[in-house]
Amino acid sequence: GNSVTQMEGPVTLSEEAFLTINCTYTATGYPSLFWYVQYPGEGLQLLLKATKADDKGSNKGFEATYRKETTSFHLEKGSVQVSDSAVYFCARTNSGYALNFGKGTSLLVTP
Amino acid sequence: NAGVMQNPRHLVRRRGQEARLRCSPMKGHSHVYWYRQLPEEGLKFMVYLQKENIIDESGMPKERFSAEFPKEGPSILRIQQVVRGDSAAYFCASSPTEPGQGFAYTFGSGTRLTVV
Repeated sequence: GNSVTQMEGPVTLSEEAFLTINCTYTATGYPSLFWYVQYPGEGLQLLLKATKADDKGSNKGFEATYRKETTSFHLEKGSVQVSDSAVYFCARTNSGYALNFGKGTSLLVTP
Repeated sequence: NAGVMQNPRHLVRRRGQEARLRCSPMKGHSHVYWYRQLPEEGLKFMVYLQKENIIDESGMPKERFSAEFPKEGPSILRIQQVVRGDSAAYFCASSPTEPGQGFAYTFGSGTRLTVV
């Protein structure tokens, strides 16, 4: 199927720590890959995306590289802030309109 | 430029009642998508609509659920005879055209339905 698997949380980090949230996808077709962020009580916001192998998506200090050889799209940030506390969702699409999401990874950054 | 507006934000219904969830897409957007987020789960695609047309309802339960996007007014997701398992967050998204590969659309803040 067209599934996405991401690491379970919650992830708790101290401010300025390095963040990695793992995401792997099933190698079906040529998907586009996304990371969405959901702040408490809000809807999902697109964080970054990549549409083909070796593309790197980046935004607000977050990065993820589309790795076809490992079917991965891990999210990284070099120095997290308290304001980054949220739930992060990895997602893919083949069809162009139906996104398949992972279960989400909750991140808590403490001062 | 208002984003995707969903209302109500929170909805409580007793078992057997009907739930109506509304979604007003962004200005200029004619494509609407509904997703459901069950507790501890990621979002699941339910239905894709254009004005007056259902394009893809493959993710929507066959019984009790229906969706519409009339020529005028918001898109409506309707759940008849709600059961406890319908308790979830329902998110709407919109786009100006059919998103091609790599296109990512805009989500609303969701309606949290609780069935008691």
